Amino acid sequence: SQTIHQWPATLVQPVGSPLSLECTVEGTSNPNLYWYRQAAGRGLQLLFYSVGIGQISSEVPQNLSASRPQDRQFILSSKKLLLSDSGFYLCAWRSLGTEAFFGQGTRLTVV
Amino acid sequence: QKEVEQNSGPLSVPEGAIASLNCTYSDRGSQSFFWYRQYSGKSPELIMFIYSNGDKEDGRFTAQLNKASQYVSLLIRDSQPSDSATYLCAVNAGGSYIPTFGRGTSLIVHP
Repeated sequence: SQTIHQWPATLVQPVGSPLSLECTVEGTSNPNLYWYRQAAGRGLQLLFYSVGIGQISSEVPQNLSASRPQDRQFILSSKKLLLSDSGFYLCAWRSLGTEAFFGQGTRLTVV
Repeated sequence: QKEVEQNSGPLSVPEGAIASLNCTYSDRGSQSFFWYRQYSGKSPELIMFIYSNGDKEDGRFTAQLNKASQYVSLLIRDSQPSDSATYLCAVNAGGSYIPTFGRGTSLIVHP
């Protein structure tokens, strides 16, 4: 069966520090991968998605970036965090036409 | 712009009652429809999906789809306090890589 791993679960980072969140998927090949952010009391905001290795589409311009170095690995990064980057970050995977499956999420607090 | 609209609530129902959650979507090309439940501080989990017009039942949950009216709903029978959560509606157009999520409806089931 397919599983998705996302870490860390919680993170407190100072403003201006770098960020790296990692997500890996097991049990499937060539998944579509997604990074979402959810601010408190808000809906899901799609940040990036990827349909293959090295293919990244950005939905919202900001100081975040994403990379997909391997088929089942998706990384969200920032060189310098802003206070506004605080939120609940969710990685998800899906095959075309099916439902999305979410990782456990990372609660990021920028202080 | 593809949109999925949900009433943010909160929808408050007494224990044992039927909770009715509604969702409308703008893209007539949408072909698959999903309901997710998200407990506070947790990631969304899939509870129902529906592809064809009509009703689909799974235990206490019934999803209803009306493509002509661009409307999908979720009924929860015999609501329990453990059903208290935010319910997200997601819609996917055929061939699209990106599911569109509503902002969610908060459901409160009080004893």
